[in-house]
Amino acid sequence: KAGVTQTPRYLIKTRGQQVTLSCSPISGHRSVSWYQQTPGQGLQFLFEYFSETQRNKGNFPGRFSGRQFSNSRSEMNVSTLELGDSALYLCASSRRTEGNTEAFFGQGTRLTVV
Amino acid sequence: QKEVEQDPGPLSVPEGAIVSLNCTYSNSAFQYFMWYRQYSRKGPELLMYTYSSGNKEDGRFTAQVDKSSKYISLFIRDSQPSDSATYLCAMISGRNTPLVFGKGTRLSVIA
Repeated sequence: KAGVTQTPRYLIKTRGQQVTLSCSPISGHRSVSWYQQTPGQGLQFLFEYFSETQRNKGNFPGRFSGRQFSNSRSEMNVSTLELGDSALYLCASSRRTEGNTEAFFGQGTRLTVV
Repeated sequence: QKEVEQDPGPLSVPEGAIVSLNCTYSNSAFQYFMWYRQYSRKGPELLMYTYSSGNKEDGRFTAQVDKSSKYISLFIRDSQPSDSATYLCAMISGRNTPLVFGKGTRLSVIA
């Protein structure tokens, strides 16, 4: 059974650009959550999608957005990149029954903003 | 005060030692408690989750929850060099609420 797949694994972008990250959940998982991981703040919740609807949202500016497709794949977009957006972006998928008690993470996308 | 506090370490122990990792929390609404292991350059890997106060054992790992003290622990018995990683505690108030993480404790097991 394939795990959570995130693409690309690494990205280097310039300040002011925008970026789109992709996440394919485990087959049968309909919930996808996104987290930002930095050395200073640790793992912080961005947003969660379930059945193409945003179910929860963290405390991040509107430059961070996401969406989910009918096949449960999800994308997140960051516009007008800032140096502070450099981080490891992780997505996690879970089934409806277990919810976030059994959330499985991908390898992450490491974004560097220069 | 952060909702979840976790000593970042680093913690260095000899092979075979018993390791104790801990987190405290302030939000009494938290009901489910998870432990994740994260190797360098990898995503977090779920080790186990607990719901009620008390102990839950899985192989060499034991998770302990004390809701009255708002304190959770993960014990690793017979620690191995392959256990060297960052351990993250996480908790949620309901199954469909977002994970709230501690900052992680970096563990090194020395052969």
